[in-house]
Amino acid sequence: QVQLVQSGAEVKKPGASVKVSCKASGYSFTGYYMHWVRQAPGQGLEWMGWINPNSGATNYAEKFQGRVTMTRDTSISTAYLEVSRLRSDDTAVYYCARSPDSLGTWGYWGQGTLVTVSS
Amino acid sequence: DIVMTQSPDSLAVSLGERATINCKSSQSVLYSSNNKNYLAWYQQKPGQPPKLLIYWASTRESGVPDRFSGSGSGTDFSLTISSLQAEDVAVYYCQQYYGPPLTFGPGTKVDIK
Repeated sequence: QVQLVQSGAEVKKPGASVKVSCKASGYSFTGYYMHWVRQAPGQGLEWMGWINPNSGATNYAEKFQGRVTMTRDTSISTAYLEVSRLRSDDTAVYYCARSPDSLGTWGYWGQGTLVTVSS
Repeated sequence: DIVMTQSPDSLAVSLGERATINCKSSQSVLYSSNNKNYLAWYQQKPGQPPKLLIYWASTRESGVPDRFSGSGSGTDFSLTISSLQAEDVAVYYCQQYYGPPLTFGPGTKVDIK
């Protein structure tokens, strides 16, 4: 069965970076896009961008360009999200979610990774 | 960017009664070349990731109970729960995937009256 398993919670100081992983299993990792969506505490959902694991191509929401990097390691079927220059308003649960293409819907999600930014 | 709005912000419905959530997009999400509305609905329960319920505005995801239905076209959409069950208590989000950035509505919280 399809599974997306994310890395554990992180606590970071403002200005630091964080790298969240999303390990895929149960399907062909390179056959589906991986998107990242975040959710601040008690707030709604915010799309951050996607990576095509086959080509490595990425597309970031304009809000995150220059501060977000999405990468992948096909040898271990894992996608990564790195957010730099963290601010307190980056405190959120970060989800990876699989879609059939760049504009697809997300039938499978990771369990979420809480990133807390606090001095 | 396409802005998604939802109404109401929250609603409380008696068990077995109908619940309807509305979603409006700031521009049409109907793609004329294939006549498909790029609109999805998700259900999110506390502490869980969102769950896909509906895509193409009205197609139920596999395994989703048939009490959930989606309708609408262009800029106006709705999600209906025909007979509310206790397990349907959640926040519901609409989402457009017509074009990047992919955007969500603010969510509608559904409770039992």
